[in-house]
Amino acid sequence: EVKMVESGGGLVKPGGSLRLSCAASGFTLSTYIVNWVRQAPGKGPEWVASISARSDYIHYLDSVEGRFTVSRDNAKNSFFLQMDSLRAEDTAVYYCARVGFQGGDAFDVWGQGTMVTVSS
Amino acid sequence: DIQLTQSPSYLSASVGDRVSITCRASQGVSTYLAWYQQSPGKAPKLLIFAASSLQSGVPSRFSGSGSGTEFTLTISSLQPEDFATYYCLQIDTYPFTFGPGTTVDFK
Repeated sequence: EVKMVESGGGLVKPGGSLRLSCAASGFTLSTYIVNWVRQAPGKGPEWVASISARSDYIHYLDSVEGRFTVSRDNAKNSFFLQMDSLRAEDTAVYYCARVGFQGGDAFDVWGQGTMVTVSS
Repeated sequence: DIQLTQSPSYLSASVGDRVSITCRASQGVSTYLAWYQQSPGKAPKLLIFAASSLQSGVPSRFSGSGSGTEFTLTISSLQPEDFATYYCLQIDTYPFTFGPGTTVDFK
């Protein structure tokens, strides 16, 4: 079964850090562009970051640039989101998603999400 | 950044109805537009990619059309499991952006 599973969410104080992980199974992650998408409570999804298959192209949402770092370990079929200097507005469910090969660069497989709460 | 708007934001319908949702982009995105369905507590599910192509496993009552700046998602005969929130996503230009969503609810 093709699956992506996030982990690492939790409660953190403003200014703190968290590292999210996304583990893929049922397919070889190393051939896919992967993304992080977040969804604040009661809001729509928001794209956060993308990393290419060989980590040579990385893009971030402006509001997280300089605070978040996306990386991947293809040998472990996993990728990560290091989140530093967290703010209350970063509170959201964080999803990992891959860009499928079906065409149009759509995100075809998503994880179930991990909740990040930034609060004092 | 490319802004996406969706209309209507809320749609009240009955089982068997034909419903359409429009997504408009602030600038052209060619056909780099996808549609997602999201139920409460679940991840978004891909329905349509490349504006008009049906994702594998998605029922044929779902269809998409459009290119450039105007796109439509149509459900030909609404089923009970289709009552959910629908989002469009442009993957033409970074930062990728989602529409604000359309909630389809029971009339």
